[in-house]
Amino acid sequence: AQSVAQPEDQVNVAEGNPLTVKCTYSVSGNPYLFWYVQYPNRGLQFLLKYITGDNLVKGSYGFEAEFNKSQTSFHLKKPSALVSDSALYFCAVRRGAAGNKLTFGGGTRVLVKP
Amino acid sequence: SQTIHQWPATLVQPVGSPLSLECTVEGTSNPNLYWYRQAAGRGLQLLFYSVGIGQISSEVPQNLSASRPQDRQFILSSKKLLLSDSGFYLCASDRGDGYTFGSGTRLTVV
Repeated sequence: AQSVAQPEDQVNVAEGNPLTVKCTYSVSGNPYLFWYVQYPNRGLQFLLKYITGDNLVKGSYGFEAEFNKSQTSFHLKKPSALVSDSALYFCAVRRGAAGNKLTFGGGTRVLVKP
Repeated sequence: SQTIHQWPATLVQPVGSPLSLECTVEGTSNPNLYWYRQAAGRGLQLLFYSVGIGQISSEVPQNLSASRPQDRQFILSSKKLLLSDSGFYLCASDRGDGYTFGSGTRLTVV
């Protein structure tokens, strides 16, 4: 079985400050990890993924995430948050490659205040 | 790259009426397809997934059904809607490198 935990329902941050959204996972075998963002009344948009290689993954809109195998974490980060980053963020994991379903975390709402 | 088309974007239906939501995929072939429901802007609940034409797996018992009549077409249906069927319905396609989502359908059952 695989699972994802996003421990914070909401993260509040001032514009210009660093943003971190936490994610921990549990999966047997090699994890494939993903971050998605959802704006109101829209579908989820892909931000970045970790498959293999460098533990620091860079994605869209200035976001990055760090894969930490020992802590089974894949936290999403942005050095300087924008008001437009306010959205719902989902972490997801699956074991291995194609054919296996993604398991999503419960989502973290990010509110960036001007 | 693949594109997911979902329609309609919004729908208001009376209790007891039928439902048909359609999802079509462009730019790929033989994808795995998924229907999710999202309540109150929070977590995603997987309803159905399909690995090929005519192959449907249901994740939770419910008032809904799904069909895949063509490789790139996935339909979510109900014969009689319940109030509890209200929500935001998302279709997703997976060709092996992660999911691509449609823009969703907001269903309100009144």
